[in-house]
Amino acid sequence: EAQVTQNPRYLITVTGKKLTVTCSQNMNHEYMSWYRQDPGLGLRQIYYSMNVEVTDKGDVPEGYKVSRKEKRNFPLILESPSPNQTSLYFCASSFSVMVGRTGELFFGEGSRLTVL
Amino acid sequence: AQRVTQPEKLLSVFKGAPVELKCNYSYSGSPELFWYVQYSRQRLQLLLRHISRESIKGFTADLNKGETSFHLKKPFAQEEDSAMYYCALPWGGSTLGRLYFGRGTQLTVWP
Repeated sequence: EAQVTQNPRYLITVTGKKLTVTCSQNMNHEYMSWYRQDPGLGLRQIYYSMNVEVTDKGDVPEGYKVSRKEKRNFPLILESPSPNQTSLYFCASSFSVMVGRTGELFFGEGSRLTVL
Repeated sequence: AQRVTQPEKLLSVFKGAPVELKCNYSYSGSPELFWYVQYSRQRLQLLLRHISRESIKGFTADLNKGETSFHLKKPFAQEEDSAMYYCALPWGGSTLGRLYFGRGTQLTVWP
């Protein structure tokens, strides 16, 4: 089944303990991106990747790192998580970076992270 | 500064009534805009996009450059339309990349 898979789906951790949220897509998509969803703030982009080894900052990149070593994977790394990173995180991918070709984002189910 | 504004956090209508979810944007070029929807316990999914000018599930959206708006409309709302709706704007115009979402509008359609 074509989809975007995130793991873990739920995680409770403590301040400062490094963690990685994995994102994998099996659709050979070129574009991948991470968002956080907070009440009243909607979706805010953290990082995005236009292709392998090409990543760039979104609107709220502070405290996060990403890498795109393979086309299918785009992990989100929190080196030293803090309570203000408690949020619902979504990974998304798109077949092409060109809006005219599709522009449609396929989203993962979300990862709910709590940092104590 | 908000690139995409959805002024209504909550919107309620009765079944069969018309519904309009507002989206205003701030962009200097020709924007490409999208509406995404999140039904309860489902993934976010594309509802419609400006570039294809299609009608999905009875919803339409017209780009009004003069008013910098891309409001989502449906003439007769159905209970299954109850969901969270997000307007989205790629800052790169014809390319994805930096992508801005509005804060979302929670639509409730009462029976």
